[in-house]
This record gives sequence, C-alpha cells and structure tokens, in this order.
Amino acid sequence: DSGVTQTPKHLITATGQRVTLRCSPRSGDLSVYWYQQSLDQGLQFLIQYYNGEERAKGNILERFSAQQFPDLHSELNLSSLELGDSALYFCASSLGRQGFYYGYTFGSGTRLTVV
Amino acid sequence: DQQVKQNSPSLSVQEGRISILNCDYTNSMFDYFLWYKKYPAEGPTFLISISSIKDKNEDGRFTVFLNKSAKHLSLHIVPSQPGDSAVYFCAATISSNTGKLIFGQGTTLQVKP
Repeated sequence: DSGVTQTPKHLITATGQRVTLRCSPRSGDLSVYWYQQSLDQGLQFLIQYYNGEERAKGNILERFSAQQFPDLHSELNLSSLELGDSALYFCASSLGRQGFYYGYTFGSGTRLTVV
Repeated sequence: DQQVKQNSPSLSVQEGRISILNCDYTNSMFDYFLWYKKYPAEGPTFLISISSIKDKNEDGRFTVFLNKSAKHLSLHIVPSQPGDSAVYFCAATISSNTGKLIFGQGTTLQVKP
C-alpha cells in the first residue's frame, strides 16, 4: 500500500456520461498530481494541485476538470465521455510543490472503460 | 511532441545478467531525471533519479547513467532478478518549474530464470 488511495479501481460507463475519480493523498502530502495512461502510452500529465490551488496544467481536455479540497483529497471530473477517454488514471502525491526529488508516490490507479 | 522516448518496447534478459534500459530526451532544459518501475495492477514506484550535474548515480543493483551531450540516459540492473520483471518508465523534469514529470512510453523487462 503506497498510502495514496484511488477510488474506484474500475469504472465502466457509456459515451456521453460524466464520472468522478477520487484520490486521497498520502498523509501529510500537500501536492496532488493526475496522470492519464492510455493503451501502450506513457503517463501523460494532466494537472497538479498544491494545498488546494492549481499549480500546473498539462494537456488536459476542457471536458476534464479537477479540484483539491480543504482536506487535501482531490477529484478528477470527466464529462461528455468519449471512447478515447478509456485509460488508466493515476493520482500521485508529494509533500512539497516539487516532489520529484524523491519521486512522488503513485496510487494504483482507476481503470476507466467507456463503451 | 514526444520529449522523452524509450525506443525499445521490450527487453528480455537471463537471470544474473545485466539489463540495460535506454531513454532519450529532446528538451535541453530538463535537468532532473527519474526511473520508475511498474507492476501490473499497481501504480509506478520510484526507483532511482539523477540530477544533470552528475553523470552517474548508483543504488544497490541499480545505476543510472546520464549523457547530457547525447541527451541520453540509461538504467543498468546488475545482476538482474526475475522479480525485476516489470515495465520501466523514465521521466524528466525542469527542476525550477513545477513538479510535472514528462514520461517515456515504457519498456517491458522480462528476466528469465
């Protein structure tokens, strides 16, 4: 157990629908990162939050949004889902804003399947 | 634009031998590099990292080499063990920037007993 909790582990939904993925960071970590891994692809950075505020944005679609709540958990909202949104979505957390120095900690991911 | 590339999708080695995983990058602003290992149904786990001020970093059986002029890094695993069988991702970042990591596509390593 890495300490980063992602729910649900699996999600199957239809095109056009909206889903919410949830991430609880490791205790004490202030930064949360979201990554998407499509089939046979590397992890693509979506967005980062630090202590409730958006800190960096990647190639995140306008149909996607995220937030980090006062208790530091984060949610990634995906709307108007398309078949191509099927992927593994990973959340990671780190203590500081630049957690890469110690390799931030990933959760086990949410596998989203859009049918 | 793939800024970090792992050109070998897979690698197979015999137990006890050396495994060499390669990674190339295009952005000369990258100054910190990491390797992650990923088992099925788990998230990536941090393995080893290197700053651009170094050309080598070692941690037990794992050594990362950085060749800045060639924009190339490699991960050496010696000796390789069956438990090392996993997908390995290299990642890069600009340390003065946010914590955003740019990942390669991954290389699947199989270590045969």
